[in-house]
Amino acid sequence: EPEVTQTPSHQVTQMGQEVILRCVPISNHLYFYWYRQILGQKVEFLVSFYNNEISEKSEIFDDQFSVERPDGSNFTLKIRSTKLEDSAMYFCASPTGRAYNEQFFGPGTRLTVL
Amino acid sequence: QKEVEQDPGPLSVPEGAIVSLNCTYSNSAFQYFMWYRQYSRKGPELLMYTYSSGNKEDGRFTAQVDKSSKYISLFIRDSQPSDSATYLCAMSAGEGGGADGLTFGKGTHLIIQP
Repeated sequence: EPEVTQTPSHQVTQMGQEVILRCVPISNHLYFYWYRQILGQKVEFLVSFYNNEISEKSEIFDDQFSVERPDGSNFTLKIRSTKLEDSAMYFCASPTGRAYNEQFFGPGTRLTVL
Repeated sequence: QKEVEQDPGPLSVPEGAIVSLNCTYSNSAFQYFMWYRQYSRKGPELLMYTYSSGNKEDGRFTAQVDKSSKYISLFIRDSQPSDSATYLCAMSAGEGGGADGLTFGKGTHLIIQP
């Protein structure tokens, strides 16, 4: 089964610092997604990214967030000035190849903001 | 009004029982329905993917969608202790060619007692 990988697995940062979360999605797909899950809460859609551009974003994805594809295989989520409430699991997801909304999720990065 | 409702449980059943997990939703535009399994602090693992109304079977798992009632179900036959996890329903309207991301339920915590 194809794999989506994410690094780091756990990131601890101070409030106000910038963090960059990385994802290597399933290859040969143009669509990628980021989600977050606050502890004990539901998984929430953040942003979809298609062909090197943001395709759609939720109201959570404000100006503090940005996504990039710095090279052909990596995909990043940047949080510019972290807040305590940004503490969550962040997942990237990649289509399986059969349909865009049939998505494989990565193992996640646990972000802790102190 | 919450878009996707899912009883958080916990739901505890004896090994070998048939498990029924359910979600209701309010957005009639949803056409694609998924079930994910999630272990604590791990990424969601795709179990079933269905389009529109009907049934789909895969091994011990059966997914049902009733769009007229806005109700979806996942049945697990011959449940095993290894099935103990949180089960998330997710759905999508498929708008924008897949840009819209998935909307999740909060998840049902399932415990299979040996």
